[in-house]
Amino acid sequence: NAGVTQTPKFRVLKTGQSMTLLCAQDMNHEYMYWYRQDPGMGLRLIHYSVGEGTTAKGEVPDGYNVSRLKKQNFLLGLESAAPSQTSVYFCASSTTGGLGQPQHFGDGTRLSIL
Amino acid sequence: AQSVTQPDIHITVSEGASLELRCNYSYGATPYLFWYVQSPGQGLQLLLKYFSGDTLVQGIKGFEAEFKRSQSSFNLRKPSVHWSDAAEYFCAVVLNFGNEKLTFGTGTRLTIIP
Repeated sequence: NAGVTQTPKFRVLKTGQSMTLLCAQDMNHEYMYWYRQDPGMGLRLIHYSVGEGTTAKGEVPDGYNVSRLKKQNFLLGLESAAPSQTSVYFCASSTTGGLGQPQHFGDGTRLSIL
Repeated sequence: AQSVTQPDIHITVSEGASLELRCNYSYGATPYLFWYVQSPGQGLQLLLKYFSGDTLVQGIKGFEAEFKRSQSSFNLRKPSVHWSDAAEYFCAVVLNFGNEKLTFGTGTRLTIIP
């Protein structure tokens, strides 16, 4: 009964380092999303995917890249981490079965950039 | 600009008292509306959603929400709160159909006092 799994749960990076956040879902969902959550700003969409091999920019895509090579996985990459990218990152997925299907969220990755 | 507004950043309610969390949206058409709840250290969980039809919708955990087109509002209510309802609550909308992207409000943090 895993749902959406994010790894790692916590990470501390130095400015300029790179890393990849992994999101895996076992619900055979077509759509996947990456959000960042910052105090007082709610969740903001970084990138999303409407199917395997597809990606698209969200509201705040700068400094991030994504890949969806397999349907169940959605990777978020930071090529050169900056302190402004300190945040909690959430992955979500949803099915295509009708408009307004709910998104299922992972438990988040807390990322600190020093 | 199109937006979702949650005017209350923080609300404190006594256990057993009633609760109303406010949400307003500014879009030309009626969007699909959602309420999500986030417990500390967790991802977001869907409470309820509204697409069309009956303007009073029931959700999980005893919550309900009423859509009022004239006020562009979708307020969340609960007749009697429990200590376990302490969490952050997010209102969200889907406007871009076909990718189901969510636009979130900034959230309302709910504190329950004995």
